[in-house]
Amino acid sequence: QSVLTQPPSASGTPGQRVTISCSGSSSNIGSNTVNWYQQLPGTAPKLLIYSNNQRPSGVPDRFSGSKSGTSASLAISGLQSEDEADYYCAAWDDSLNGFWVFGGGTKLTVL
Amino acid sequence: QVQLVESGGGLVKPGGSLRLSCAASGFTFSDYYMSWIRQAPGKGLEWVSYISSSSSYTNYADSVKGRFTISRDNAKNSLYLQMNSLRAEDTAVYYCARVSLTGGLGFDYWGQGTLVTVSS
Repeated sequence: QSVLTQPPSASGTPGQRVTISCSGSSSNIGSNTVNWYQQLPGTAPKLLIYSNNQRPSGVPDRFSGSKSGTSASLAISGLQSEDEADYYCAAWDDSLNGFWVFGGGTKLTVL
Repeated sequence: QVQLVESGGGLVKPGGSLRLSCAASGFTFSDYYMSWIRQAPGKGLEWVSYISSSSSYTNYADSVKGRFTISRDNAKNSLYLQMNSLRAEDTAVYYCARVSLTGGLGFDYWGQGTLVTVSS
């Protein structure tokens, strides 16, 4: 059982816009920024969004993030076949000397 | 360019020990917090442990506390994870990751991972 809650799956057709939600609590998302990771099949995760809505260099602007209260969202517009991957949200949790928490992951399928 | 290369994974019996290493290059290793994150087969990501840049601070997930020890050698640009009293549920790919200095405590670089299998 992951501390952050994500839907296990999402899907869309090429060109569509899809969103993935991430729900947490006051000790994690509610008081810290959210990061998103993309894990393509058979590869290590890659930082996709940091500090709620910032993109590392090289990440297309089709990817965007937002946060409100204890929830966050990742949006992917102009969906492409290469976006098919697992997506994870994560945040620092202020409990017990501090630690990171992850969502359970959302498998995105491009139909 | 930034590189993180894990090693030391393998097959170990329940109750056994293993030491993972992560060799870092392409950045000033001693400036960064580092972390271990694992992924059980077919499962999601689980944070395991972190260590501060000077080794002053460490923390562990409850699932490994008291059994795993994280350490680093800044002179050798290396991160380690000593894993004792291993259990079947520790079977996973173990990734080392760099904690970004500016990116909202994100893990901005990851290694390719090393597989640890705990089985009799």
